[in-house]
Amino acid sequence: NAGVTQTPKFQVLKTGQSMTLQCAQDMNHNSMYWYRQDPGMGLRLIYYSASEGTTDKGEVPNGYNVSRLNKREFSLRLESAAPSQTSVYFCASRMGIGGAREQFFGPGTRLTVL
Amino acid sequence: TQLLEQSPQFLSIQEGENLTVYCNSSSVFSSLQWYRQEPGEGPVLLVTVVTGGEVKKLKRLTFQFGDARKDSSLHITAAQPGDTGLYLCAGGYNQGGKLIFGQGTELSVKP
Repeated sequence: NAGVTQTPKFQVLKTGQSMTLQCAQDMNHNSMYWYRQDPGMGLRLIYYSASEGTTDKGEVPNGYNVSRLNKREFSLRLESAAPSQTSVYFCASRMGIGGAREQFFGPGTRLTVL
Repeated sequence: TQLLEQSPQFLSIQEGENLTVYCNSSSVFSSLQWYRQEPGEGPVLLVTVVTGGEVKKLKRLTFQFGDARKDSSLHITAAQPGDTGLYLCAGGYNQGGKLIFGQGTELSVKP
């Protein structure tokens, strides 16, 4: 059981370049989430997918798109990277849609946009 | 504007001291979770509280959910160097299982 995996671990982009961050979970979880973490700001929700086939915006969706490829995989795309998107990105998943359940996090992708 | 205010943001103490971290909001949450994060890793759940006034203990850690379900606290008794890390509170909503995180408290416990 790998849990939640993310690729790549590190990435450096130039302003205007595009890239896709990959996330996969092997726990048969229904819901998946993308967060960004910046110093002094905790984690902020970018997009989430409550169940396969649905996606919704979180607190900070501008500049990002997502795809829930199947139940296991949830990708985050930056179409035209900006320095403000320099951050650590975390993917998470959880069982079920409602109720207070634990979110399981991946190890993160550290992205720098020059 | 941070929906969930966490304080203090930084805390440096000696081994054996006690400490309390606070998490406050003007919003009502269906649940409140506390996570701990170590450098280079994702957060890991410590506890979930769902009932107003609820108190949960995890060894030397005591978690409390406010009566109105708008605030929470984490108290650590006799802190140890192994408690060092980033502590995050997160308010939960039933819709989609979304969480709103506080800014985090960076705790350093020196031997």
